[in-house]
Amino acid sequence: DAKTTQPNSMESNEEEPVHLPCNHSTISGTDYIHWYRQLPSQGPEYVIHGLTSNVNNRMASLAIAEDRKSSTLILHRATLRDAAVYYCILRDRANQAGTALIFGKGTTLSVSS
Amino acid sequence: DAGVIQSPRHEVTEMGQEVTLRCKPISGHNSLFWYRQTMMRGLELLIYFNNNVPIDDSGMPEDRFSAKMPNASFSTLKIQPSEPRDSAVYFCASSLGPGQGYTGELFFGEGSRLTVL
Repeated sequence: DAKTTQPNSMESNEEEPVHLPCNHSTISGTDYIHWYRQLPSQGPEYVIHGLTSNVNNRMASLAIAEDRKSSTLILHRATLRDAAVYYCILRDRANQAGTALIFGKGTTLSVSS
Repeated sequence: DAGVIQSPRHEVTEMGQEVTLRCKPISGHNSLFWYRQTMMRGLELLIYFNNNVPIDDSGMPEDRFSAKMPNASFSTLKIQPSEPRDSAVYFCASSLGPGQGYTGELFFGEGSRLTVL
């Protein structure tokens, strides 16, 4: 799978939007962009994924650059519960179901009240 | 659904002892994954199974580690003999597998925290 680059850490204030960037300049045409997060003392959990178009769900929005070399996970109103490590992962569409995710270091998001 | 169930949640053992970690995947999921997490190395894939068959065990550190999936509802990760450097949180995850439809979502258990003294 192609490599992603994320900032080590970010800070935010409660109730404010958070934009978590991810660079993936070597992304292939069939790579899906996945985001997971890991709350303290828990296993990772799925947040969102997309291919080319921007995606929204109840947890977050995913904005994908037109050239797909970068993406941004958007938390519209951060809460204290959103403090976690956020992982951006690429996964080849041809191997989606039944293949493993390879996690990098992720971005540690701190949220202050 | 109860989610992915792992046991034990915490294990403290002495160097040289055998350790067995257990995982029950979500019913209907045909893929099962074992990960290990440490501060130094982050979240590492150890091995994964599709339809009870090991697909990739290249992440298993050494011969002291072994994993089995005797049926669709149970898997074990065994360390024999254990060493202090094996201390970590071990996560099990499951997902739909090949032929079950497209999805990218892995569901993780709460992890088993292993301490080897």
